[in-house]
Amino acid sequence: DGGITQSPKYLFRKEGQNVTLSCEQNLNHDAMYWYRQDPGQGLRLIYYSQIVNDFQKGDIAEGYSVSREKKESFPLTVTSAQKNPTAFYLCASNTLLGFSTDTQYFGPGTRLTVL
Amino acid sequence: AQKITQTQPGMFVQEKEAVTLDCTYDTSDQSYGLFWYKQPSSGEMIFLIYQGSYDEQNATEGRYSLNFQKARKSANLVISASQLGDSAMYFCAMREAYSGAGSYQLTFGKGTKLSVIP
Repeated sequence: DGGITQSPKYLFRKEGQNVTLSCEQNLNHDAMYWYRQDPGQGLRLIYYSQIVNDFQKGDIAEGYSVSREKKESFPLTVTSAQKNPTAFYLCASNTLLGFSTDTQYFGPGTRLTVL
Repeated sequence: AQKITQTQPGMFVQEKEAVTLDCTYDTSDQSYGLFWYKQPSSGEMIFLIYQGSYDEQNATEGRYSLNFQKARKSANLVISASQLGDSAMYFCAMREAYSGAGSYQLTFGKGTKLSVIP
């Protein structure tokens, strides 16, 4: 079964702690993305990566960090510098074969709550 | 200015009826793509349909069709024969050729919550 997995589904964090959200894909996609979704809002891009060992900041990268050591994996760390981390986090991926044909597919998401 | 505008925060439709969800977009690119996603209460974003800016025909995928009016910069989603399982949030998204932050980035609207009434 090909797809994108995210873990954990729910995550609780105390203030001041760093937490890491996992994202794995077995679709052989080159590009991977992290989005944040707040209630009643659309998705906002945090970071993206188009190749192993390289990643770029999105629109709201402050307080987050990522790594891309393997093509299949793109973990997101929410650091204590992120002022309001409670949100729903979605990981996505797509091929880079052609601008008009590369549909972005999403994982099931991780809901992070800061206590 | 918002790049993707979805003006209907919520919509109701009777089961088996058709419904249109509005989406307007703003871009100066000639080459762009428009996507619709469905987000049920579970949270996962499910891809529904895609329309390229150079596509002359409106896209269709089963019960979903996209009413693409390029001059008006609108890309409305039409769901025919609504089913109870269609109740969800629906998001319109755009990919521009030169978004400045990576040519494959998607910009999302704020979504429309569709409720199907039995």
